[in-house]
Amino acid sequence: GDSVTQMEGPVTLSEEAFLTINCTYTATGYPSLFWYVQYPGEGLQLLLKATKADDKGSNKGFEATYRKETTSFHLEKGSVQVSDSAVYFCALLQMNRDDKIIFGKGTRLHILP
Amino acid sequence: GAGVSQSPSNKVTEKGKDVELRCDPISGHTALYWYRQSLGQGLEFLIYFQGNSAPDKSGLPSDRFSAERTGGSVSTLTIQRTQQEDSAVYLCASSYSRVANQPQHFGDGTRLSIL
Repeated sequence: GDSVTQMEGPVTLSEEAFLTINCTYTATGYPSLFWYVQYPGEGLQLLLKATKADDKGSNKGFEATYRKETTSFHLEKGSVQVSDSAVYFCALLQMNRDDKIIFGKGTRLHILP
Repeated sequence: GAGVSQSPSNKVTEKGKDVELRCDPISGHTALYWYRQSLGQGLEFLIYFQGNSAPDKSGLPSDRFSAERTGGSVSTLTIQRTQQEDSAVYLCASSYSRVANQPQHFGDGTRLSIL
């Protein structure tokens, strides 16, 4: 079945460091790909998305490119801030297959001042 | 504006009791989703509603779990004869329609603890 695998955390970085959180997926066809973020004490929020191969999603300085050849959707940010500390979830959605989102297990990110 | 609202925010109950979790989606959102976030298990899809109907209930963990939605709005997730493994955060999400470009908006969840 379809699945999402993302790097285990926690990931600890200093402020202004470069961030990569790896995400790979297994799916048939052409799913849509998402990154969700969960800040401490808050619900899940959509961070960015890409709906077809080679699309780049971007928001709040974060970027991820839908790579079908490597079945990846790695999350990157050039200079992280303390306020980026959160749990990040990679996810995929297969349209016309009951619409359920399949999430990775999440990666906790700690940014040190 | 108002987002997805879930209640209660926390629920502690004894093993064997029934619990009912409530979700108020964003007004006008026709699609509603239930997920479970368990420690070490990540996010698990439970059930999805389009309007009042749930086309696929196979994600529900056991026959102790049921969900309904009335009036195309409020949904309740009911767990009967709760077990300790039911302890988790139960998240509800809604979206405008069944289209991938329409994001799912999540509530803050109900933290369920079974003693």
